[in-house]
Amino acid sequence: DGGITQSPKYLFRKEGQNVTLSCEQNLNHDAMYWYRQDPGQGLRLIYYSQIVNDFQKGDIAEGYSVSREKKESFPLTVTSAQKNPTAFYLCASRQGETTGELFFGEGSRLTVL
Amino acid sequence: KQEVTQIPAALSVPEGENLVLNCSFTDSAIYNLQWFRQDPGKGLTSLLLIQSSQREQTSGRLNASLDKSSGRSTLYIAASQPGDSATYLCAVKAAGNKLTFGGGTRVLVKP
Repeated sequence: DGGITQSPKYLFRKEGQNVTLSCEQNLNHDAMYWYRQDPGQGLRLIYYSQIVNDFQKGDIAEGYSVSREKKESFPLTVTSAQKNPTAFYLCASRQGETTGELFFGEGSRLTVL
Repeated sequence: KQEVTQIPAALSVPEGENLVLNCSFTDSAIYNLQWFRQDPGKGLTSLLLIQSSQREQTSGRLNASLDKSSGRSTLYIAASQPGDSATYLCAVKAAGNKLTFGGGTRVLVKP
């Protein structure tokens, strides 16, 4: 089945550690996105990529990094510079930039101990 | 700056009643509007996508309307069921690859 796979579903991290969240899609979509969801704050865009080897910062990119070496993969690294990393992270993809439907993965919950 | 508002934040209805969920946005220069459903601890599931040139979209018991001039969209869910209990979010796609989400409406359908 076509879809977006995020892993791991749950992740615990000690302060000062970098962690990488995986996002893989087999929908052949060009654009991929990372969002952060916090209670009472809605979804906020971290990074997005419209094509391979290119990505742009979203509204809250500080403390995060991404890569887009393959069309189907868009991993997110939460670095130790992110001051408040505990959150629910959602990956999404879309075919085309403007009119396509946006699809989401099941999310990854990161907890910093 | 586009702002998307969903009121009320929470809604409780008895089973069988029709649900009416509201989404309003401040800038009418949009490409499309999409409705999502989110269950606790899960990702977002796409329900309906309405392009800016369309007035409504339907899928089964769901119907979404779009009025760009007034900056409003409404999601109707007919004959609600307990399984419809979830948070419903709308998102507006505008120029510059910007997608703006509303805060969501948490729905509880009581058996």
